[in-house]
Amino acid sequence: NAGVTQTPKFRILKIGQSMTLQCTQDMNHNYMYWYRQDPGMGLKLIYYSVGAGITDKGEVPNGYNVSRSTTEDFPLRLELAAPSQTSVYFCASSYTSGTSGQETQYFGPGTRLLVL
Amino acid sequence: DQQVKQNSPSLSVQEGRISILNCDYTNSMFDYFLWYKKYPAEGPTFLISISSIKDKNEDGRFTVFLNKSAKHLSLHIVPSQPGDSAVYFCAARGGTSYGKLTFGQGTILTVHP
Repeated sequence: NAGVTQTPKFRILKIGQSMTLQCTQDMNHNYMYWYRQDPGMGLKLIYYSVGAGITDKGEVPNGYNVSRSTTEDFPLRLELAAPSQTSVYFCASSYTSGTSGQETQYFGPGTRLLVL
Repeated sequence: DQQVKQNSPSLSVQEGRISILNCDYTNSMFDYFLWYKKYPAEGPTFLISISSIKDKNEDGRFTVFLNKSAKHLSLHIVPSQPGDSAVYFCAARGGTSYGKLTFGQGTILTVHP
């Protein structure tokens, strides 16, 4: 199993450009998440998905969009890049059951994004 | 509003000694707590967790203690090894917010040989 994979590893964007961060998991997890980590800060949840076709906002969703057409893929879209979106982005997945609630999230290696 | 706080940005420990990383939380609805470890240029990896119905969970060299009345948890690493040098994040999940974790800012642990 490759686990959670993310592409690209690093990208430089100009202000106003758009891009899609890719995330794929091969563990058949139902839940997937996007986080951002700013220097000296913890991870903040951007969006999450509880299954194909279902997404919801996290703590910091402004400036981002997501879609979940398959169980495996959960791309994150930046439409108009801004310097405030300079960060490291992590995708994660978990198998989450409503009755257990004690799931573990597995993280990808991250995408480092610089907006200039 | 920082609901999960790790007030020590860094901790330096000698190899073989105990490392104690601390975490405080404010939301009384949190019922499940996790510690993640992160090396540079990698994603966080799960280390250990504890449910709010317990006050201690142990896994090899790693033990997590939970004090619900003080809204405080700690991670003990005994004995510390140089390979433990990493950033440690405390995370919490609350009530019916399945899967949604709130993370602390992280503590950089350095274990000196």
